[in-house]
Amino acid sequence: NAGVMQNPRHLVRRRGQEARLRCSPVKGHSHVYWYRQLPEEGLKFMVYLQKENIIDESGMPKERFSAEFPKEGPSILRIQQVVRGDSAAYFCASSPASQGTQYFGPGTRLTVL
Amino acid sequence: KQEVTQIPAALSVPEGENLVLNCSFTDSAIYNLQWFRQDPGKGLTSLLLIQSSQREQTSGRLNASLDKSSGRSTLYIAASQPGDSATYLCAVEYGNKLVFGAGTILRVKS
Repeated sequence: NAGVMQNPRHLVRRRGQEARLRCSPVKGHSHVYWYRQLPEEGLKFMVYLQKENIIDESGMPKERFSAEFPKEGPSILRIQQVVRGDSAAYFCASSPASQGTQYFGPGTRLTVL
Repeated sequence: KQEVTQIPAALSVPEGENLVLNCSFTDSAIYNLQWFRQDPGKGLTSLLLIQSSQREQTSGRLNASLDKSSGRSTLYIAASQPGDSATYLCAVEYGNKLVFGAGTILRVKS
């Protein structure tokens, strides 16, 4: 019974490139959350999605960042034209309902050169 | 503003000691509170979840309490072991998002 899976685990991009982070929730979970952990900082909420819908994106930067959770396939967090300040660990979590335990993936560590 | 604070920021204890980690939150309108463990370079492992209507939860050597009215939670670890060394995160659920504290870095010396 696989938990939340994220790939890649490590991603290196040069400034100006695009980063695509993938998250496969626990089987049967239809709620996905993305969090970002900047160096030496705590985790910060970015976005909450249900299948095909963005429910709360109050933590997403207004530009360059987008997220989707299609009917089929993983959730994707996309960062366009990356900058050095985007270097962080990006964690995905899933839950079976809108409130309750969130199960976290191992994270994707993005490094922008 | 919804803020979560954890004290102490770091803690070093000899093996076998009982210890308490503290978490406080500014907005008492919570759905639940979770304690997580994070090992260096790894993801988060959920330790305990306390619903807003509950006062405490126990799992093995761990006991977490919640006092919503005062905006506080404590995580009690009994008979600490070197394998308990990690960062412990307190997270409060508001609506559909978790608000995290900065964590307590715990080191248990053998």
